[in-house]
Amino acid sequence: AQSVSQHNHHVILSEAASLELGCNYSYGGTVNLFWYVQYPGQHLQLLLKYFSGDPLVKGIKGFEAEFIKSKFSFNLRKPSVQWSDTAEYFCAVIRGSTLGRLYFGRGTQLTVWP
Amino acid sequence: EAQVTQNPRYLITVTGKKLTVTCSQNMNHEYMSWYRQDPGLGLRQIYYSMNVEVTDKGDVPEGYKVSRKEKRNFPLILESPSPNQTSLYFCASSPTSGGYNEQFFGPGTRLTVL
Repeated sequence: AQSVSQHNHHVILSEAASLELGCNYSYGGTVNLFWYVQYPGQHLQLLLKYFSGDPLVKGIKGFEAEFIKSKFSFNLRKPSVQWSDTAEYFCAVIRGSTLGRLYFGRGTQLTVWP
Repeated sequence: EAQVTQNPRYLITVTGKKLTVTCSQNMNHEYMSWYRQDPGLGLRQIYYSMNVEVTDKGDVPEGYKVSRKEKRNFPLILESPSPNQTSLYFCASSPTSGGYNEQFFGPGTRLTVL
């Protein structure tokens, strides 16, 4: 069973629309949470991460994510997308109990039309 | 420039012909890992290495071997490749031995096994 779930396989938006990509995980205990982005033909890059503290984290390029522990969720948001945000987005989790193991969701392909 | 390098970037081979994909990082990172990316499945961890002395299996280790003889290198070995190992492979490294911080990814190796 997939332990990190990304609910949207493909999202299509127009420029300036708001974005929210869902991510849920099924682990209890301590987790470190990440969102990575993969632009066409490129390797993965870190957008943002959550380890502890303020559950609302800000990343690069205007992205932010909110950790809601009670919902096991770490949704990614951006108020106004741009054509250059077209990419595949991956949620990833490391559990405190199994260091070294990084679990990825299946990814969400975002297409932004100009 | 701080980076993770992989070679080759593209490889077409035939079933059963042993191959090695090299991975090297110049950031003095403790942790290194291999992933494969398949459409609709996201990234799945093959093997990881917490440090030079510790290597362990990820989610999909079957058919792969790794070696961590020195800190900077972490080659992926396919002793007898099969068509189901056709995939996009990424190597990654992280400064901490648990890999629980950001992971830095290489450019990827696209492998086709005929």
